[in-house]
Amino acid sequence: ETGVTQTPRHLVMGMTNKKSLKCEQHLGHNAMYWYKQSAKKPLELMFVYSLEERVENNSVPSRFSPECPNSSHLFLHLHTLQPEDSALYLCASSHHPPGPRNYGYTFGSGTRLTVV
Amino acid sequence: GEDVEQSLFLSVREGDSSVINCTYTDSSSTYLYWYKQEPGAGLQLLTYIFSNMDMKQDQRLTVLLNKKDKHLSLRIADTQTGDSAIYLCAEKGGSSNTGKLIFGQGTTLQVKP
Repeated sequence: ETGVTQTPRHLVMGMTNKKSLKCEQHLGHNAMYWYKQSAKKPLELMFVYSLEERVENNSVPSRFSPECPNSSHLFLHLHTLQPEDSALYLCASSHHPPGPRNYGYTFGSGTRLTVV
Repeated sequence: GEDVEQSLFLSVREGDSSVINCTYTDSSSTYLYWYKQEPGAGLQLLTYIFSNMDMKQDQRLTVLLNKKDKHLSLRIADTQTGDSAIYLCAEKGGSSNTGKLIFGQGTTLQVKP
């Protein structure tokens, strides 16, 4: 475990379902992120939360809805997804701004999502 | 806009050195990172370099930064089969106040016995 825990590890959902991805960190970080990793494409930043406030939303469709109830937890609520949304969804946390002892991100292991 | 590019694939023999290259476009990058991703796993931070450095060595890993050419490389000495993975380059833009990282596509390193 890296200190960032994502659940579930695998999820298969129909296009009409509603599900949520969960991310949890107890590293004392103050920023959390959702990334999407599709085959043969760079990691795509979806959302950034800093001090529990959403500070960036990279033109993500509204069928993805993030929630950050506190600095340790981040959710991604999913509804009416499309097959092209199938991907690995990675959560990360960091200390922002980075300093000599707080640099880079710590990633979770991801949720492998398949939309059928 | 910000962009990070890497070659997609590198194959080496066990015991050889591997050099993975990355180019980026944001001249105000402050930190540059190398991550390793093994199959079915998340990303593991390998090393990072601050933009005012041109080299950093950490055991078998050597990072070289050419800020003028916006070129970053990762050299793995004495490459082992356990080094087989995807290596992702990332940069944190100086213009960003959100801490976001921009990643390259990743280079798949294949180590042959």
